[in-house]
Amino acid sequence: AQSVTQPDIHITVSEGASLELRCNYSYGATPYLFWYVQSPGQGLQLLLKYFSGDTLVQGIKGFEAEFKRSQSSFNLRKPSVHWSDAAEYFCAVGRTSYGKLTFGQGTILTVHP
Amino acid sequence: EAGVTQFPSHSVIEKGQTVTLRCDPISGHDNLYWYRRVMGKEIKFLLHFVKESKQDESGMPNNRFLAERTGGTYSTLKVQPAELEDSGVYFCASSQALAHSSYNEQFFGPGTRLTVL
Repeated sequence: AQSVTQPDIHITVSEGASLELRCNYSYGATPYLFWYVQSPGQGLQLLLKYFSGDTLVQGIKGFEAEFKRSQSSFNLRKPSVHWSDAAEYFCAVGRTSYGKLTFGQGTILTVHP
Repeated sequence: EAGVTQFPSHSVIEKGQTVTLRCDPISGHDNLYWYRRVMGKEIKFLLHFVKESKQDESGMPNNRFLAERTGGTYSTLKVQPAELEDSGVYFCASSQALAHSSYNEQFFGPGTRLTVL
């Protein structure tokens, strides 16, 4: 069975600092990989996805993620965090492009001014 | 274009009562998904509709949960009778019809927060 681990439950950074959120997955083949963000009172919004090809993928809001097969990781990065990035972030995997998603526990990001 | 909507946003019921959650997907989306997040845990898949048919219901926890999708439009998720462990946030998502070699993003609603006392 596939699983996703986000080791950091809560991360605090200062505005303007760089950010890296960790995600490790367990799956027999190369899964479909996703990062979602949820702001308070909102639904989950897709930040970016990886299916194949270039292992560095760009997403919305200045985020990027790198797929590392050898480490079974798909870490999310942003070079300079804005106060509006404060939210909860979820890494997810899927076996197909349309089926169910398996989520990590989420990482809450707090941004200090 | 309206996004995925869910009703109610919050529901507080007592153990043993029945609750029905509703999800209206984005118009024209054939795929509809239900997920649940119990406090402190990860978001877990419940089931997947393609139009009015259940494509995958492997995540439904037990027979107290009944999901329907009338005419392939909106969906309801009924919990009867509700138990304490059913408390959590129930998310609905929808995506377009499957197309070969393309990805159909799942658009999520804001969720329904269910509290069972």
